[in-house]
Amino acid sequence: TAGITQAPTSQILAAGRSMTLRCTQDMRHNAMYWYRQDLGLGLRLIHYSNTAGTTGKGEVPDGYSVSRANTDDFPLTLASAVPSQTSVYFCASSETTSGGNEQFFGPGTRLTVL
Amino acid sequence: GQNIDQPTEMTATEGAIVQINCTYQTSGFNGLFWYQQHAGEAPTFLSYNVLDGLEEKGRFSSFLSRSKGYSYLLLKELQMKDSASYLCAVRGGDYKLSFGAGTTVTVRA
Repeated sequence: TAGITQAPTSQILAAGRSMTLRCTQDMRHNAMYWYRQDLGLGLRLIHYSNTAGTTGKGEVPDGYSVSRANTDDFPLTLASAVPSQTSVYFCASSETTSGGNEQFFGPGTRLTVL
Repeated sequence: GQNIDQPTEMTATEGAIVQINCTYQTSGFNGLFWYQQHAGEAPTFLSYNVLDGLEEKGRFSSFLSRSKGYSYLLLKELQMKDSASYLCAVRGGDYKLSFGAGTTVTVRA
């Protein structure tokens, strides 16, 4: 079972360029999330989706957009990358947003914006 | 907003016990999670508390006091493989998870 996959594993991007980080889960989870992890700050929620067709903003949404066209995929797009978006990006999913349903995390994408 | 505090680093000896504290102030409460994260890897789920008291899972236990906004993760019989970062996360009234910055535990032989 693949669980949750992310691509690419790492990327160096020139400032001003756009990029889409891909995330796919095969667990048929309803909810999906995008986090960024920076040293000393912990994981911060960028965007989330409670179910296919819906999305919402997290704690740090500026400069990022998402879509949820189907259950399995939740891509994150940086329209015009800036150096402050250098981070490790984790995609996660959970069966629902309530109860004891834990979030499962993908392996992460390490992004460097120069 | 959410405020979640945990110590930055802890060091312990193999075979010993370590307790990682987490205090929180959140808008609403719908559960507290602990995750383990090895360097360069994704976080993995350890425990979930929503009611006051102790939840035990093998060598790991997690405690919650909602009235005090306090939780701890207890790691017993420490092994070298337990060297990792431990993340405290609170699900607030909006059902979103807010994470602490993590506690890096180093286990020494």
